[in-house]
Amino acid sequence: NAGVTQTPKFQVLKTGQSMTLQCAQDMNHNSMYWYRQDPGMGLRLIYYSASEGTTDKGEVPNGYNVSRLNKREFSLRLESAAPSQTSVYFCASRVGTGTSYEQYFGPGTRLTVT
Amino acid sequence: GNSVTQMEGPVTLSEEAFLTINCTYTATGYPSLFWYVQYPGEGLQLLLKATKADDKGSNKGFEATYRKETTSFHLEKGSVQVSDSAVYFCALTTQGGSEKLVFGKGTKLTVNP
Repeated sequence: NAGVTQTPKFQVLKTGQSMTLQCAQDMNHNSMYWYRQDPGMGLRLIYYSASEGTTDKGEVPNGYNVSRLNKREFSLRLESAAPSQTSVYFCASRVGTGTSYEQYFGPGTRLTVT
Repeated sequence: GNSVTQMEGPVTLSEEAFLTINCTYTATGYPSLFWYVQYPGEGLQLLLKATKADDKGSNKGFEATYRKETTSFHLEKGSVQVSDSAVYFCALTTQGGSEKLVFGKGTKLTVNP
């Protein structure tokens, strides 16, 4: 099993450009998540998907859109990138039920917007 | 709302020193508590967890006890190694089938030989 995979690993964009971050998991998990990690801020939830066909906003959704393409894949789109979106982006998926569960994280995408 | 507060870092220790990283939380209901670890250049991995009061989570020599009376979940290790150098995140989720984890800001640990 590859676990959670993310592409690309690194990306540099100019302000106003668009791009899609890809995430896939091969663990048959129902729930998937997108986080951003900024220095001194910990991880903040951008969007999540509790199951195929559903998505919900997290703490910091502005400037982003998501698509749960199928059970395996959950993409994050930046329509018009801004320097404030320079960050490391992590995708995660969830196993288990109720409160006793673990999220599995991908290796991250380091995005710089100039 | 739900929140997690961790001690500010960075923390620098010598090999074989004792480690404590403090974590306190605010939550409605009865949360489950987690410690995640992030090694340089990698994503987060679950280190340990506790799902009810007085539970002790343990893994790789690390321990944390769920203290409801002090709303705390402090991470401890008796003898750290250079390979423990990483960023440690405390997190919670609450009952009711919540889909979301709430993370603290992270504490960077550096262990010197």
